[in-house]
Amino acid sequence: EVQLVESGGGLVQPGGSLRLSCAVSGFSFSDHYMDWVRQAPGKGLEWVGRSRSRSNGYYTEYAASVTGRFTISRDESKNSLYLQMNSLKSEDTAVYYCVRVVVRWLDPWGQGTLVTVSS
Amino acid sequence: DIQLTQSPSTLSASIGDTVTITCRASQTILRWLAWYQQKPGKAPQLLLHRGSVLESGVSSRFSGSGSGADFTLTISSLQPDDFATYYCQHYKNYQYSFGQGTRLEMK
Repeated sequence: EVQLVESGGGLVQPGGSLRLSCAVSGFSFSDHYMDWVRQAPGKGLEWVGRSRSRSNGYYTEYAASVTGRFTISRDESKNSLYLQMNSLKSEDTAVYYCVRVVVRWLDPWGQGTLVTVSS
Repeated sequence: DIQLTQSPSTLSASIGDTVTITCRASQTILRWLAWYQQKPGKAPQLLLHRGSVLESGVSSRFSGSGSGADFTLTISSLQPDDFATYYCQHYKNYQYSFGQGTRLEMK
């Protein structure tokens, strides 16, 4: 069974940092693109960024709203995806989902982890 | 960037009804459109991809159609579990676009 389990969310002050983790199982982690998608409270879905597959050098891409502040990385030995978030702003408050990319769509999604940026 | 506009934003319906949700793209996207269902407090789930291909395990009461810039999601014979929010999604130039969502509520 394919599973993605996020962790690491919490309350952080504006300007602070937080690192989210996503532990995956049930599929070949290195062969898949992996994305982060977020959802602000009561709002829609916003793509955050991507880690391409190993054959694509784990190349990363980001939405304009987080470029320069967020960094995506992987640890193959732990089958884990990470999202390092720096210089956090109140508008980064959201549930963050780890998602596997299949062709051009997203499946499955993790359960999400809530990040709240507030003083 | 391609913009996706869903309509309506909110849809009220009753058990047993058939409903249709529309997703319009700002330019042609061929058939590269997916639909997701999201229930309150839960992660989205993929329903259909390539405009009309039903994901494994998804009820055949869900169907999709369209190509180019106009797409529809139809849910027939509404069941209590179908009341949720639905999103369309497109991928181009390594970025995803999502529609703003359609909330399907019980009348």
